[in-house]
Amino acid sequence: AQTVTQSQPEMSVQEAETVTLSCTYDTSENNYYLFWYKQPPSRQMILVIRQEAYKQQNATENRFSVNFQKAAKSFSLKISDSQLGDTAMYFCAFPSRGQGNLIFGKGTKLSVKP
Amino acid sequence: EPEVTQTPSHQVTQMGQEVILRCVPISNHLYFYWYRQILGQKVEFLVSFYNNEISEKSEIFDDQFSVERPDGSNFTLKIRSTKLEDSAMYFCASSEAGTEFSYGYTFGSGTRLTVV
Repeated sequence: AQTVTQSQPEMSVQEAETVTLSCTYDTSENNYYLFWYKQPPSRQMILVIRQEAYKQQNATENRFSVNFQKAAKSFSLKISDSQLGDTAMYFCAFPSRGQGNLIFGKGTKLSVKP
Repeated sequence: EPEVTQTPSHQVTQMGQEVILRCVPISNHLYFYWYRQILGQKVEFLVSFYNNEISEKSEIFDDQFSVERPDGSNFTLKIRSTKLEDSAMYFCASSEAGTEFSYGYTFGSGTRLTVV
């Protein structure tokens, strides 16, 4: 079965510091995408970053970057220069086989402290 | 930037009543989805829709649920007879292509459904 695991239910970080959220997944597929979504208190789901599995280069979006280790099936999110607005739930997501089904991890609640 | 629009943002309904949750996906997207998130729990897939038919559905999506794209722009989720356990945040999402090749889903801001 395809699974996504986020082993850190909660994390906190001081403003301006760097934090890494972990995610592991299990799949037999070779080509796929991986996603990190942010859910602030407003509960909207916002795409933060995506990684294409066939690309060895780690994706980067401004202060957000990933450490993608395909062999280890690991997809961690690094947030640099953390800001108060980064406080949110962060979900790692991975598409199941077929075309419709994103599988989400249980999420990591990140608190950025002033 | 294009958005997925969901209405209403919050709906309260009596147990046993029918509810319809509405979504307007991004206009050039072809795949549409409904997910739900019970408070404090993870996001769960309900159903995907492509080419005017359901392409995939989860175990949660039983006979009480149905989806429709009535007019080429709206995408609705109907719950025929609501139960207390249907209380959740319901998210609509759309994508240009299937998830294997996708640039990711765009989610709406959700409808909070409260069944009393």
